[in-house]
Amino acid sequence: AQSVTQPDIHITVSEGASLELRCNYSYGATPYLFWYVQSPGQGLQLLLKYFSGDTLVQGIKGFEAEFKRSQSSFNLRKPSVHWSDAAEYFCAVGAGANNLFFGTGTRLTVIP
Amino acid sequence: GAGVSQSPSNKVTEKGKDVELRCDPISGHTALYWYRQSLGQGLEFLIYFQGNSAPDKSGLPSDRFSAERTGGSVSTLTIQRTQQEDSAVYLCASSLYGATNEKLFFGSGTQLSVL
Repeated sequence: AQSVTQPDIHITVSEGASLELRCNYSYGATPYLFWYVQSPGQGLQLLLKYFSGDTLVQGIKGFEAEFKRSQSSFNLRKPSVHWSDAAEYFCAVGAGANNLFFGTGTRLTVIP
Repeated sequence: GAGVSQSPSNKVTEKGKDVELRCDPISGHTALYWYRQSLGQGLEFLIYFQGNSAPDKSGLPSDRFSAERTGGSVSTLTIQRTQQEDSAVYLCASSLYGATNEKLFFGSGTQLSVL
């Protein structure tokens, strides 16, 4: 069965520091992988997605993620965090027809 | 409209009452999804509509939950005889074709509180 694990419930980083949010998935075939961000009072917004090809994908707002098949991971990274990046981040795997399975989310706090 | 619109944004109801949540997807999007987001939980898939096809109801947690999509556009999620465990944020999303690799456009959600 498909599943997504985000092991970090809450992460706090200083503004300007680098960021890595972890995501591990379980799926029998090559998955479609996504990162969505949910800012306070707003709907979820797609940051980036991976389908095939280059395992390092670039997204909006300076985010990137790397698909590592051997580790079943799709970690999200940003070299320098901005205060406006404070939000909830969800990793998701597209599996089968018509469905995305989401992780439980990681809440990011950015301190000055 | 420009984005996915959900109403109401907040709903407080008493246990045992029925509630209806509305979703207005992006014009032209053929696929519509309902998800539930509970505190400390991920997004839980509820139901999926694609064009005129029969909806995928596999995520509905009980027969108290139902949804319809009229005219291939607006959708209503109905929860009958609400229970306190139904308290959550209900999110609607739409996409152009409903393919698994497509970007979903989400509404801001309806926060449901069952007292």
